[in-house]
Amino acid sequence: AQSVTQLGSHVSVSEGALVLLRCNYSSSVPPYLFWYVQYPNQGLQLLLKYTTGATLVKGINGFEAEFKKSETSFHLTKPSAHMSDAAEYFCAVSEPDSWGKLQFGAGTQVVVTP
Amino acid sequence: NAGVTQTPKFQVLKTGQSMTLQCAQDMNHNSMYWYRQDPGMGLRLIYYSASEGTTDKGEVPNGYNVSRLNKREFSLRLESAAPSQTSVYFCASSEQGADTQYFGPGTRLTVL
Repeated sequence: AQSVTQLGSHVSVSEGALVLLRCNYSSSVPPYLFWYVQYPNQGLQLLLKYTTGATLVKGINGFEAEFKKSETSFHLTKPSAHMSDAAEYFCAVSEPDSWGKLQFGAGTQVVVTP
Repeated sequence: NAGVTQTPKFQVLKTGQSMTLQCAQDMNHNSMYWYRQDPGMGLRLIYYSASEGTTDKGEVPNGYNVSRLNKREFSLRLESAAPSQTSVYFCASSEQGADTQYFGPGTRLTVL
């Protein structure tokens, strides 16, 4: 069985500061890992994903994440926060033979202050 | 190219009423999914359809039924709505099972 833990349900960052959102997972097989973003009253949009290959993954809007197998982590970072980054962020995991069934974390709400 | 569309956007039901949530995708995707989103719980999979003609239960299927009408459409039915089904419902699709899922804008359902 797979599961996802996101540390911190709310994160407040200053504009221009580092954004760091933590995600740890458990999976019985090498997983596929995803970060999605949800802006208010909208559906989810893919930020980035890891399937195989390079463990540092770059996504849209300047975000990146690193898959660390030894730590079972897939933390999301952005060097400099922008006001438009205010949203809810979800980490998700799926197993390659699971027909794409995603297990989501509870989400982290990001607030960006001027 | 509209992506994933869902109707209705909002719905209020009384306990015991039934309704069907509609979802359609125009990306020729094989797999489709229904999730519900509740505060503090992320998204939970209700049902999925790996390919046209197949459906299977997800994490929270009780109280719901689905129909994969054709490759484009995947509907979710509540036969007898309960207040516990108050939620935001999202439909998603992907080309293959493990590929990126594309989400619709959601349906906000309130059951009184």
